[in-house]
Amino acid sequence: SAVISQKPSRDICQRGTSLTIQCQVDSQVTMMFWYRQQPGQSLTLIATANQGSEATYESGFVIDKFPISRPNLTFSTLTVSNMSPEDSSIYLCSVRTVAEYGYTFGSGTRLTVV
Amino acid sequence: DQQVKQNSPSLSVQEGRISILNCDYTNSMFDYFLWYKKYPAEGPTFLISISSIKDKNEDGRFTVFLNKSAKHLSLHIVPSQPGDSAVYFCAARIYSGGSNYKLTFGKGTLLTVNP
Repeated sequence: SAVISQKPSRDICQRGTSLTIQCQVDSQVTMMFWYRQQPGQSLTLIATANQGSEATYESGFVIDKFPISRPNLTFSTLTVSNMSPEDSSIYLCSVRTVAEYGYTFGSGTRLTVV
Repeated sequence: DQQVKQNSPSLSVQEGRISILNCDYTNSMFDYFLWYKKYPAEGPTFLISISSIKDKNEDGRFTVFLNKSAKHLSLHIVPSQPGDSAVYFCAARIYSGGSNYKLTFGKGTLLTVNP
């Protein structure tokens, strides 16, 4: 299955600033997914990123707050903009694998906004 | 409205015994159900899945049972080992158009296997 490298693994940021999270996959994939896991909550899909087109955002998430880039089939970035303490979460990228209908996840970015 | 529910935040079992993790769902359009294991500071790792047209899938020590009429699935781990201690997420897949599918996750159950 695909191997995903996600950076940074953690960061502490000041409110009002922005953080860009990178996700690198070791093989070409059509779709990449970005999730958020708030403390004590389930993983929630933020958006689906297809190469060459704009990302598709889920209800409650907007492009201005979470802009996504997908320049090629192995790389994507998620930016958390104008951060507030409520954005403190773990952010994960994911790709779909063929075997057994599973999805592979990166190791996540633990973001703390102070 | 939570479509995938894991009502037990935590579960503690003795090494060698059976661990049973439960999951309920509400949307009958889910076509696949998946279990993920997550260690601290790591991303979730795919464990096992089951199609909505099956009632059982087994892979080594891990078996998933699906009761479609009750909208309930469970993950059995036999025998449980200390290395199984982790958070287990139940997830359900739904078709979202084109070639796209989406996963909906439960909140997870922290399994602790005591030596």
